[in-house]
Amino acid sequence: AQKVTQAQTEISVVEKEDVTLDCVYETRDTTYYLFWYKQPPSGELVFLIRRNSFDEQNEISGRYSWNFQKSTSSFNFTITASQVVDSAVYFCALGIQGAQKLVFGQGTRLTINP
Amino acid sequence: DAGVIQSPRHEVTEMGQEVTLRCKPISGHDYLFWYRQTMMRGLELLIYFNNNVPIDDSGMPEDRFSAKMPNASFSTLKIQPSEPRDSAVYFCASSLTSGGVGQETQYFGPGTRLLVL
Repeated sequence: AQKVTQAQTEISVVEKEDVTLDCVYETRDTTYYLFWYKQPPSGELVFLIRRNSFDEQNEISGRYSWNFQKSTSSFNFTITASQVVDSAVYFCALGIQGAQKLVFGQGTRLTINP
Repeated sequence: DAGVIQSPRHEVTEMGQEVTLRCKPISGHDYLFWYRQTMMRGLELLIYFNNNVPIDDSGMPEDRFSAKMPNASFSTLKIQPSEPRDSAVYFCASSLTSGGVGQETQYFGPGTRLLVL
């Protein structure tokens, strides 16, 4: 069975601090896909990144970076120099080739205080 | 390009009334998903379609819920009769078909916030 664990239910930091959101996944499949979504207070779910299991290169997009480590089954998300606009709930998700659905974590609520 | 479009954005209704939620997927996407989000249960997949055909409706909570996709650009989720426990945010999402459900990125609409009194 597949599972995604986001152990941090809530995180609160002061603006400009760096913050890392953890995502640990479980699967026995060798081909799988990992996703991060952002849900700001307005409610929509915004796609951030997709990574396949064969690409372990870390990714950087502006202040966002993702660290994929198969050895620890983790796909962590770091925001550098956080801003108030980064306040949102962030979801990590796992997709298995041939599966019927994505498996979502429970989400981490991130609050950036001015 | 337009994203996934959902209507209405907010719906308040009384118990027992019929509720219809609407979705227009991204043009060219072959998969369409309906999700429900609540505080207690998180994000749940209700049903999904591939090329307008329902593939998996195992997440539909009860017979009061039904979904249709009459063409590639339109889908509805209907609740009849509605109950207070149906109050939630309902999301529609779409994706390309090439890699299957587990492989492709799902793009979500803005959601419909439903309140059943």
